[in-house]
Amino acid sequence: DTEVTQTPKHLVMGMTNKKSLKCEQHMGHRAMYWYKQKAKKPPELMFVYSYEKLSINESVPSRFSPECPNSSLLNLHLHALQPEDSALYLCASSQAPDPDGTQYFGPGTRLLVL
Amino acid sequence: GESVGLHLPTLSVQEGDNSIINCAYSNSASDYFIWYKQESGKGPQFIIDIRSNMDKRQGQRVTVLLNKTVKHLSLQIAATQPGDSAVYFCAENSGTGFQKLVFGTGTRLLVSP
Repeated sequence: DTEVTQTPKHLVMGMTNKKSLKCEQHMGHRAMYWYKQKAKKPPELMFVYSYEKLSINESVPSRFSPECPNSSLLNLHLHALQPEDSALYLCASSQAPDPDGTQYFGPGTRLLVL
Repeated sequence: GESVGLHLPTLSVQEGDNSIINCAYSNSASDYFIWYKQESGKGPQFIIDIRSNMDKRQGQRVTVLLNKTVKHLSLQIAATQPGDSAVYFCAENSGTGFQKLVFGTGTRLLVSP
């Protein structure tokens, strides 16, 4: 089983709202990732968690706040977003943060900021 | 007018043809490369990977070729099927100690029956 699940599938929020995206995997993977993908563009890395600790933050604005409550769960808390933050947000996991481990992606949450 | 980058390069093939999708990567220090397939409304799906100590790797109906001299990667799909229609991304790991995948711009593959 190589399944990464993400909820919700779609999300519409106003610029003053606070919402959270959730990602879950039960493969025993110890590295988890958040990516942002705009239409017709490749995914862009936002955050990397390794053994539940934030390892990489790709200079993401503070209105995006990641959280890794345990080894199976990854959240992305959203606050005061801008319309240009509308995108597909993808979560991925890999067995370990080793440079040559395969990342498995979830289906994504499509976010629209009004 | 159109903006550069709003349209993905597209490869159109007939069912049964062999397809070749190319990718140029940027970092000569990258040591791990992956091809992903992304269908509409879905997340990227792993197809095949290759490490920098290899120049060819084969899977089921797919072959990846790596040319480190010119920093070029290709994905060959044999006997292409309509279900292969998707956007294909190459990705390189540019991280040291961690995975830091950098994706190429992507190629849309359209397979006609």
